[in-house]
Amino acid sequence: GAGVSQSPSNKVTEKGKDVELRCDPISGHTALYWYRQSLGQGLEFLIYFQGNSAPDKSGLPSDRFSAERTGGSVSTLTIQRTQQEDSAVYLCASSPKSGLNTEAFFGQGTRLTVV
Amino acid sequence: GQSLEQPSEVTAVEGAIVQINCTYQTSGFYGLSWYQQHDGGAPTFLSYNALDGLEETGRFSSFLSRSDSYGYLLLQELQMKDSASYFCAVRDRASGGSYIPTFGRGTSLIVHP
Repeated sequence: GAGVSQSPSNKVTEKGKDVELRCDPISGHTALYWYRQSLGQGLEFLIYFQGNSAPDKSGLPSDRFSAERTGGSVSTLTIQRTQQEDSAVYLCASSPKSGLNTEAFFGQGTRLTVV
Repeated sequence: GQSLEQPSEVTAVEGAIVQINCTYQTSGFYGLSWYQQHDGGAPTFLSYNALDGLEETGRFSSFLSRSDSYGYLLLQELQMKDSASYFCAVRDRASGGSYIPTFGRGTSLIVHP
């Protein structure tokens, strides 16, 4: 596709339910990042995938959060037993390589509301 | 702790010039980037500075001083559509060892007619 695609764009879920958020990066991009943005706040790093290397999961806030990336392309972020504090916009970004000066291309995000 | 510091809000009038400052503290430095984010939108890349000095792209310029761990984004001939949040970002080392784009809390720019 032309850009990073995320789905769903909005998700309302009940506290305690599990949710899955999907990210389709730009074709050929080897680096993929997940960030979380709370209202009026900056971008909080969650997890980083680079090619076939083991992901850097050091930003995940709890063991209720997990993510995978299949075939080096599509990624899914899963939040189990959602809590109200999980409400935020979840942003995915991809980069064409892992070079340190590489621009990151962001999707529109998934707005998650836990009620 | 927070790697980057930038003002939370800046206001200006149409046609004016505004400067958004950013100071950073990282374990290794690999350049300073700026991103723009409109309400409800995706952050979009504006500029990148790896070396000291001023980089100009149309109405937007970005400056870096590595010795001062400081940079700024300069917006000229402000337009209403420039109202947005602006984030500075550096590559910083996550606790897992990877160097990932790390963002400041963002500066909300409000442009008045």
